[in-house]
Amino acid sequence: AQSVAQPEDQVNVAEGNPLTVKCTYSVSGNPYLFWYVQYPNRGLQFLLKYITGDNLVKGSYGFEAEFNKSQTSFHLKKPSALVSDSALYFCAVSPRYNFNKFYFGSGTKLNVKP
Amino acid sequence: NAGVTQTPKFQVLKTGQSMTLQCAQDMNHEYMSWYRQDPGMGLRLIHYSVGAGITDQGEVPNGYNVSRSTTEDFPLRLLSAAPSQTSVYFCASSYSRRTLTGELFFGEGSRLTVL
Repeated sequence: AQSVAQPEDQVNVAEGNPLTVKCTYSVSGNPYLFWYVQYPNRGLQFLLKYITGDNLVKGSYGFEAEFNKSQTSFHLKKPSALVSDSALYFCAVSPRYNFNKFYFGSGTKLNVKP
Repeated sequence: NAGVTQTPKFQVLKTGQSMTLQCAQDMNHEYMSWYRQDPGMGLRLIHYSVGAGITDQGEVPNGYNVSRSTTEDFPLRLLSAAPSQTSVYFCASSYSRRTLTGELFFGEGSRLTVL
């Protein structure tokens, strides 16, 4: 069965400090990998994706993510957190053999304190 | 740019009632889908469509019907609502997968409560 794990329900970080939101997956093949962000009472917004190539991908709002094939992980990172980054973050995976389906993690709530 | 528009934003139903959640997109996207979001479970795919006249099931299709008669619209029907269908529903669309663009564009969500 396909699965995406976000092991932390919540991540707390001080403004200006680096942040990491973790994601691991169990999907056969080399899936496409995505991060989305959700602000309160809004739909999800695309942040970044990994299709192929460099293991470090850069996305919107200064976020980046590191793909690690051996660990089947795709962790979201930002060098310096902002209070406005506080939101719910979802990792998503789309299998290459059936890329019409997306599997989402359960979400991680990021709290950035001033 | 309207993007993906969902209606209604809020709805309360009694068990056994039927209703349709509407979804429309103005980006000429071939791919459209419906998800439900439940606390601690993330988003789960209900149904999806890769073009007009073509639909397929996702992870949790039971209790839901869809149709795709036009490129723009992808309604989700609950024929006999149950309390287990209380959730927030999101419609999402994407460019044709042939371009490998991949990312989804989401509507603002429809919050459904079944009593």
